[in-house]
Amino acid sequence: QVTLKESGPALVKPTQTLTLTCSFSGFSLSTSGMRVSWIRQPPGKALEWLARIDWDDDKFYSTSLRTRLTISKDTSKNQVVLRMTNMDPVDTATYYCARFPLSGGMDVWGQGTTVTVSS
Amino acid sequence: EIVLTQSPGTLSLSPGERATLSCRASQSVSSSYLAWYQQKPGQAPRLLIYGASSRATGIPDRFRGSGSGTDFTLTISRLEPEDLAVYYCQQYGRLPYTFGQGTKLEIK
Repeated sequence: QVTLKESGPALVKPTQTLTLTCSFSGFSLSTSGMRVSWIRQPPGKALEWLARIDWDDDKFYSTSLRTRLTISKDTSKNQVVLRMTNMDPVDTATYYCARFPLSGGMDVWGQGTTVTVSS
Repeated sequence: EIVLTQSPGTLSLSPGERATLSCRASQSVSSSYLAWYQQKPGQAPRLLIYGASSRATGIPDRFRGSGSGTDFTLTISRLEPEDLAVYYCQQYGRLPYTFGQGTKLEIK
C-alpha cells in the first residue's frame, strides 16, 4: 500500500523559512520513473504545483517560486523535503505531497499539512 | 506557462443525471498529458483520469475523460450524491505544471 504523509510546523512567522517533510512508504524514489511533487492550496482556492524531484535527482520548480524553493530527497529514509524561504502571509495554505510516476498523473496524495504564516 | 480554464464554475445537477465538465488550455497539451482530480470537502485530491482518457486504479467507469490538443472534457454519468466535489484538470506535459481553477459539482 502506497502512503505519503506531510509534516512540518503549523505556524511560521513572516520572513522565516518553512521546512516540510514528506514521508512515504510502499514505493522507492530510487526506482526508475518515480517522482514526487509538492502542491499547495490556499484556503478556498485552487491547487498550485510547486516542485518535483525525480528518481535520478532531477529537480523542477514553479516559475514564480523558483528562487524561494528547494526540494531534496533522502532515499534511505523514504523522505522528500521542501524548503521555502522568506515566508509571507500569502503562503498560508495546505501543502500536499504526491507520488507522480512517469506513467502519468499524481496518483497518490498525502493528507496535507496546513501552514499559517502570521506574526 | 499553460493556462487551464475550466467551465462552468459551478454545476448543479440531480442524482442520475450526467455532468459535463470542460477544461480548455491556452496552448496545446503535449501527448495529452492531461489529468482530472476530484477533491471532496475536507479531503486531499484524488486522481480520476490521466493521459486525458485513462481511468486511474479503482475509478468507476461512470467517469470518462476525453479530448486532445486544447479541449478536454470530463463526463460523469449517473450522478450519485457522493460525487459532490470540486473537480480540477491539470496539465503535466510542459513545465511548470498547471491546474485549472476548478468546477464545483453540486448534487441537488
